[in-house]
Amino acid sequence: GESVGLHLPTLSVQEGDNSIINCAYSNSASDYFIWYKQESGKGPQFIIDIRSNMDKRQGQRVTVLLNKTVKHLSLQIAATQPGDSAVYFCAENRSEGAQKLVFGQGTRLTINP
Amino acid sequence: DSGVTQTPKHLITATGQRVTLRCSPRSGDLSVYWYQQSLDQGLQFLIQYYNGEERAKGNILERFSAQQFPDLHSELNLSSLELGDSALYFCASSGALAGGAEQYFGPGTRLTVT
Repeated sequence: GESVGLHLPTLSVQEGDNSIINCAYSNSASDYFIWYKQESGKGPQFIIDIRSNMDKRQGQRVTVLLNKTVKHLSLQIAATQPGDSAVYFCAENRSEGAQKLVFGQGTRLTINP
Repeated sequence: DSGVTQTPKHLITATGQRVTLRCSPRSGDLSVYWYQQSLDQGLQFLIQYYNGEERAKGNILERFSAQQFPDLHSELNLSSLELGDSALYFCASSGALAGGAEQYFGPGTRLTVT
């Protein structure tokens, strides 16, 4: 069935450390993947995306890695800050001619001082 | 601030009732998406409209319907409400119909059905 899942529901890291959030997807036909951040009481906020013809993309303090062989996606956050505490969702786009995102269940990232 | 607005912010209603949630997309965005976020189901895609036309459907119940108006704002209608419909409902917008288009989410409407 359809599934975009996360390996860990919670992750705690020390401030200043790097964090890695993982995601497994099931549809090899998906061509676009996105990471969203959701802070308490707010809507999801776009962090970074990657197309299926890439295996790595970097942003400001964030890197997304895509391994199509094992259908795995990861989000790396460098030098974590208290403001990075949030729930992180991966999502995949599965519909050609439209945009139908399938979201994972989310990982709660907690930054410890 | 994403530029997407949703009203109302909170809504409390009784089972069996009907409610309408409203969304105004970012200026210039033609695509509007509706999502439901509940504790047990996570973030679920409901439906996408592009320039007034329905373009993609997800896990949307028959009791739910949506439309996008000529001014591009959208409404999500929920009828015969059940306790299980209590959730956060998000609207998002993007500039494109398909492909890799970043979706901008609104702040959501929290619906509580009692």
